[in-house]
Amino acid sequence: DTGVSQDPRHKITKRGQNVTFRCDPISEHNRLYWYRQTLGQGPEFLTYFQNEAQLEKSRLLSDRFSAERPKGSFSTLEIQRTEQGDSAMYLCASSLAGGAGVGEQFFGPGTRLTVL
Amino acid sequence: DAKTTQPNSMESNEEEPVHLPCNHSTISGTDYIHWYRQLPSQGPEYVIHGLTSNVNNRMASLAIAEDRKSSTLILHRATLRDAAVYYCILRRDNAGNMLTFGGGTRLMVKP
Repeated sequence: DTGVSQDPRHKITKRGQNVTFRCDPISEHNRLYWYRQTLGQGPEFLTYFQNEAQLEKSRLLSDRFSAERPKGSFSTLEIQRTEQGDSAMYLCASSLAGGAGVGEQFFGPGTRLTVL
Repeated sequence: DAKTTQPNSMESNEEEPVHLPCNHSTISGTDYIHWYRQLPSQGPEYVIHGLTSNVNNRMASLAIAEDRKSSTLILHRATLRDAAVYYCILRRDNAGNMLTFGGGTRLMVKP
């Protein structure tokens, strides 16, 4: 399978714990995006990388959230001191760099986080 | 960013055409109109996009109004597998090209 993969698919944690999610993009894609989706809502942009550089972060990304993409390949999203409001589906997408008329984003299946 | 307005839900019968509308009255000249859909328990997937002219691909057709203030996604023959939430997104040609999703239209397909 050459699509975007995410691990784990489900994560249940207790409030205050740290969690880390991994995303493996399509291998030739140099852009990688993280989105968050709560129940009944559309996904919301969190941050994106071009190669290993994190170029933009949403205001939604509090200082408890950190994302990395070492060597421009896979990416990790860490949430420290989780809160119940962090419960959501975390989606990763990748694309080739390009303008708004190109660069279709390919999404992974998501990691569903439940904070008890 | 310019916003889009879509109906919350629509119903269709299997094997009939479906027209999903989207209003985007504040669209700017450099905004592309993208459609993604999200099947249950999956991440979104790209459907189609356009700028000014109507577009066709193997999944759907996109009809864009002449003033670009509205567009319609057309599924020519709905199947049960097309039941999903369909998102109309205006994608500005900026550095990141991230997608700004609204609430989308939940399409239900009846057998």
